[in-house]
Amino acid sequence: QKEVEQNSGPLSVPEGAIASLNCTYSDRVSQSFFWYRQYSGKSPELIMSIYSNGDKEDGRFTAQLNKASQYVSLLIRDSQPSDSATYLCAAGPGTYKYIFGTGTRLKVLA
Amino acid sequence: DADVTQTPRNRITKTGKRIMLECSQTKGHDRMYWYRQDPGLGLRLIYYSFDVKDINKGEISDGYSVSRQAQAKFSLSLESAIPNQTALYFCATSDPDGTSGRFADTQYFGPGTRLTVL
Repeated sequence: QKEVEQNSGPLSVPEGAIASLNCTYSDRVSQSFFWYRQYSGKSPELIMSIYSNGDKEDGRFTAQLNKASQYVSLLIRDSQPSDSATYLCAAGPGTYKYIFGTGTRLKVLA
Repeated sequence: DADVTQTPRNRITKTGKRIMLECSQTKGHDRMYWYRQDPGLGLRLIYYSFDVKDINKGEISDGYSVSRQAQAKFSLSLESAIPNQTALYFCATSDPDGTSGRFADTQYFGPGTRLTVL
């Protein structure tokens, strides 16, 4: 069974701190990795994608990928209360058929 | 106006009833998907379609069928609804080239349909 695993949380961080979200995947053929943000009662929204080992930065977000360890992470710098949401990690062999994790709930405390 | 729309947004039905969930998109994407989301189980792929003539099963297609009526329309049917099909259902589209968004392979989700089967 191909899986993407995340700690369900909640992960609580103070406003202005760095939030670190982690994800592991079991299928070694996975080549594409994504982080989606989902606010309560809303649909998921893509915030980061990463395909190569290393770090990828976009504004306050940094995605990190280590294929040898089958590990993906998302760092959110200067966390804001508006970042409070569930973050879904997804992995796939290509451009379709993602496997989604169950999500980590992040709470940023003002 | 929303790029991916779903109807109905909420539906309560009874066991054994046939129900159809509809999805329309104005993004011009060829690829469309149906997912269900359950607490503790995450998003799971039911069916996906790469064009009007292409339909593929996802990981949990049993009990569901789909129809791709046009590039912009992708419907999900439950022929005989059962209580364990109670879930939040999402339609999504994707653009593998990334020409309509900041990232390639982005999946754009509709607002969801909350389905309850009694």
